[in-house]
Amino acid sequence: EDQVTQSPEALRLQEGESSSLNCSYTVSGLRGLFWYRQDPGKGPEFLFTLYSAGEEKEKERLKATLTKKESFLHITAPKPEDSATYLCAGLSGSARQLTFGSGTQLTVLP
Amino acid sequence: DGGITQSPKYLFRKEGQNVTLSCEQNLNHDAMYWYRQDPGQGLRLIYYSQIVNDFQKGDIAEGYSVSREKKESFPLTVTSAQKNPTAFYLCASSTLPGQPPGANVLTFGAGSRLTVL
Repeated sequence: EDQVTQSPEALRLQEGESSSLNCSYTVSGLRGLFWYRQDPGKGPEFLFTLYSAGEEKEKERLKATLTKKESFLHITAPKPEDSATYLCAGLSGSARQLTFGSGTQLTVLP
Repeated sequence: DGGITQSPKYLFRKEGQNVTLSCEQNLNHDAMYWYRQDPGQGLRLIYYSQIVNDFQKGDIAEGYSVSREKKESFPLTVTSAQKNPTAFYLCASSTLPGQPPGANVLTFGAGSRLTVL
């Protein structure tokens, strides 16, 4: 059974304090690892797709990386507007649909 | 602007009632999905459709029904058989799996929050 586990469940950072969010996956024949951002009471917004180990993608203060077992979302010098829940999801080679993790709720304090 | 519109944003249901959540997209996407989100849990797939007049059950389809009469529309009915319907419901769409560009990238609506009274 495909599984995606995110840690920590919640993270509080001071503005400018860099950190990383973890997404561990056991997805057979991974075809893609997706990161989304979700603001309270809204639908998730797409951030990145990673396809193979060693791949990295960046967007503003966010950088996503992928290994054979996990993905990291690095947040450099975060700002309060980066506060949100970050979701990762894996797409297996056999399943047609995504398996989502439960998310990491990030709070960046000014 | 292209996007997905869900309505209503908030909905209250009494015991024994069926309720229908609306989802409309103008992205010309072939695939549409319904997810349920509960606190502390990942998104769970209820139903999905890749073509008009065809849909498949997801992981938690019991107590729900859908229809896909038009490419743009994918309404979800929460029936009285769903014993714990209080949740945040998200509709999404995408190009067909494997089709570039943006294969498998989901575009989500703003969600509908259903509460059972």
